[in-house]
Amino acid sequence: AQSVTQPDIHITVSEGASLELRCNYSYGATPYLFWYVQSPGQGLQLLLKYFSGDTLVQGIKGFEAEFKRSQSSFNLRKPSVHWSDAAEYFCAVGEGGTASKLTFGTGTRLQVTL
Amino acid sequence: DGGITQSPKYLFRKEGQNVTLSCEQNLNHDAMYWYRQDPGQGLRLIYYSQIVNDFQKGDIAEGYSVSREKKESFPLTVTSAQKNPTAFYLCASSTQRSNQPQHFGDGTRLSIL
Repeated sequence: AQSVTQPDIHITVSEGASLELRCNYSYGATPYLFWYVQSPGQGLQLLLKYFSGDTLVQGIKGFEAEFKRSQSSFNLRKPSVHWSDAAEYFCAVGEGGTASKLTFGTGTRLQVTL
Repeated sequence: DGGITQSPKYLFRKEGQNVTLSCEQNLNHDAMYWYRQDPGQGLRLIYYSQIVNDFQKGDIAEGYSVSREKKESFPLTVTSAQKNPTAFYLCASSTQRSNQPQHFGDGTRLSIL
């Protein structure tokens, strides 16, 4: 069965600093990978997705993620964090088949200090 | 604008009571999903439906029921058999293609009186 691990429960960074959120997955075939962001009391918003091709994918709000098959990782990065980036971030892996069924990690809560 | 509407935003349940959470989408998506979110546990799949009049259990279906009579609607009933229903419930939808992302509603927070 597929699984997703986000090893950092909580991360604090200063505004303007760089950010990297870790995500490791377990899946037998080529995975479909996603990063979502959730503000308190809200639903999830898609930041970016990887299906195939270029292993460095660009998303919204200045985020990017790099797929590394050898490390089974899909880490999310941002060169300069803004205070509005404070939220919870979820990595997810998609299951093959006819429906877009996803398995989510437990999330990383990002706090931004001014 | 196309999207997913969940209602109500807040819901309270008494002991022994069934409650129904509404989820409506106008994205013309075939597949719809219900997740439960608890602090520190991420999202766990309750039920999903790939097509009208068909649905499958997810990882934590016990104490919940769903119906899919219309493409646009996928209501979730939290029954009295669910002993710990306090959580944030999220509805999502997607196309049936496996490489497509899910789109989420803004959630319903259910609490016990």
